[in-house]
Amino acid sequence: EAGVAQSPRYKIIEKRQSVAFWCNPISGHATLYWYQQILGQGPKLLIQFQNNGVVDDSQLPKDRFSAERLKGVDSTLKIQPAKLEDSAVYLCASGTSGGYQETQYFGPGTRLLVL
Amino acid sequence: KQEVTQIPAALSVPEGENLVLNCSFTDSAIYNLQWFRQDPGKGLTSLLLIQSSQREQTSGRLNASLDKSSGRSTLYIAASQPGDSATYLCASRAGANNLFFGTGTRLTVIP
Repeated sequence: EAGVAQSPRYKIIEKRQSVAFWCNPISGHATLYWYQQILGQGPKLLIQFQNNGVVDDSQLPKDRFSAERLKGVDSTLKIQPAKLEDSAVYLCASGTSGGYQETQYFGPGTRLLVL
Repeated sequence: KQEVTQIPAALSVPEGENLVLNCSFTDSAIYNLQWFRQDPGKGLTSLLLIQSSQREQTSGRLNASLDKSSGRSTLYIAASQPGDSATYLCASRAGANNLFFGTGTRLTVIP
C-alpha cells in the first residue's frame, strides 16, 4: 500500500514570498490533515478535511495560510506571504474515518526555511 | 486547552537496556492516547494507541500504559536496540478530531 506522498521535500524562500505544498493521501482515505511542526516542538494541527469539506481550521492563520482539497483527494497548502516564523516542517496525514479511534498515517513532510 | 508534556527531552542508553519514556497531559477527559515514532526526515509512525477505557497496550518490545486520573502515560521499551533510536511523541485525543502532541523525547541507543 502506497503511503502519504508530499512534495516538495524541501523549500527555501525569502520572507514575503509565496509557497505551496502538495499532499496525496492514501487511496480511499476520507480525512486529510495538515500539521505544522516547528523545530523542537510537536506537530500542531492546522486544518482537517473530511472528503472535500473543512472540519476544523481553528488554528489556521487565515490571513496568510490557505488550503484546499479539490475533489476530496489531493490537497494543497499555501502560505502567502511567508514570515520567518513559518519556518517548520509541514506534515500531511490521512485517515479512514475521522472518528476518535482513527489511526492517522503521516507523510514525510515538507521542510520549509524562510530567510 | 490540552497541554502535553514529555520528559526527558533527550535520553541516551546503552544497547540492551530497558527504558521508560514519560508523557503527561492536563485534561484527563481524553478519548485515547497514542505513541508515535519519528525518524529524521520522515513522518510519524503510529506505535500504540490506548483507548481511554484501557490501561495498557503491548506490541512486541513496546508497552504503553495509561493512567487517566493522574494524566500520565508511559512507553516502556524492553531490550533497547540501536534501531530504536528516534524521537518518540505522545499525543492525546481530547476531542473527536484533534490530536494534541507533546514535544517528544529524542532517544539514542548506543551500540
